[in-house]
Formats: sequence, structure tokens, C-alpha cells
Amino acid sequence: GEDVEQSLFLSVREGDSSVINCTYTDSSSTYLYWYKQEPGAGLQLLTYIFSNMDMKQDQRLTVLLNKKDKHLSLRIADTQTGDSAIYFCAESIEDDKIIFGKGTRLHILP
Amino acid sequence: DGGITQSPKYLFRKEGQNVTLSCEQNLNHDAMYWYRQDPGQGLRLIYYSQIVNDFQKGDIAEGYSVSREKKESFPLTVTSAQKNPTAFYLCASSMEGVGQYFGPGTRLTVT
Repeated sequence: GEDVEQSLFLSVREGDSSVINCTYTDSSSTYLYWYKQEPGAGLQLLTYIFSNMDMKQDQRLTVLLNKKDKHLSLRIADTQTGDSAIYFCAESIEDDKIIFGKGTRLHILP
Repeated sequence: DGGITQSPKYLFRKEGQNVTLSCEQNLNHDAMYWYRQDPGQGLRLIYYSQIVNDFQKGDIAEGYSVSREKKESFPLTVTSAQKNPTAFYLCASSMEGVGQYFGPGTRLTVT
């Protein structure tokens, strides 16, 4: 079945770039997403990329998609303490459903 | 202000009682979803509805029930048949296309 894999933890020094990686299995996905979850809160849609694109930039966020390898990454430039959260990679499947990874917890070091 | 609301934020129940979690949206979205999140886990789909008066089971529907009588509302009932009901419950909605939008969640504790 469909699956989304991502590493569970990432520690980055404040001011450095964070790169969160993800692999997915469904090659027919139309959209791939990055969501952010702060403690005790719901998920916030950060950005998404259409499957026929290979890059999307939005302010400090850069999404790279390698469709051949089914690899998605999220780069956060100039990481700040407010970026500390869990980041979920997700892919669209049928009926507007989404499959989520288990999330990567981003920890910011001073 | 458009958005999704879930109430209450925290809910406590005794084992054996049914409990209903509220989810309302004013985004005019057709589809709505319920997920369960356990510590260190991703989101697991409980039920979803693409249109009023219709809904489908997700991956972990056992012990849960839903209704979709209005476009804006998609309440979830956690029944006494759900073996491990303590979790964080998230509701979402979407329009065809780009992504799902989430409510703030309800943390349910059953003792």
C-alpha cells in the first residue's frame, strides 16, 4: 500500500538551514505536502508542490521533488526558534485523501 | 474569519461512556475528515465524507461513528467499543485540489 517515510528527529543550529527529507511510494500522487504541527495544535499546511514541478520556493521555504526517486525535501533557510515543531510530509491519493508520514521533530540549538 | 473549529479542546470521560467530538467548518468545503494521532505517530484516518449524507470508513473506523447531516458539520462519536480511545483527535476539511485544512484538535482522555 501507499507509504510515506521520514526521519523522526533533526537538530539544527539557529541561523543554519534545515533540510527535512521524505520518501513516498505512490507514483500517481498529484500533490505532495508539507505540514507543520506545534505542540498541542492542529496541522498547518506550510506548502505543497504539484507533481509535475521539481522545485517550489516560498520565502524561507524551498521544496524539492525528485519524482524518479520519489523523494521530497523541505529546506528552511535561516532556521529560527519559532521553526521548532513537527513537520509532516504527505502525499495525495484517491478521493482527496492524504497519506501522512510519522513526522520529523525539528529541534533548534542555540 | 473562515476556519475549522473543534470543541472542546480537552475532554475527559469514564470508560464505557460514548462521547461526541464536534467539528464545524465555514470554508464551504465539500470534504471532511477525522484523524487520530497518538504520541510519536503519524495521523491515522478514521472516517471521511466527500458530500452531505455520505461517509466512508478510513483505516481505523472500528469503535467510531460519524454523521454528515450538514455541509458545515461532521461530528465524531467515540463509542465504548473503541478499545484505546485516549488520543488526540483532528478534524480536517478540503475542497478538490490543494490540501486539507485542520482544526485545533481535541485531546480525549478516557479513564
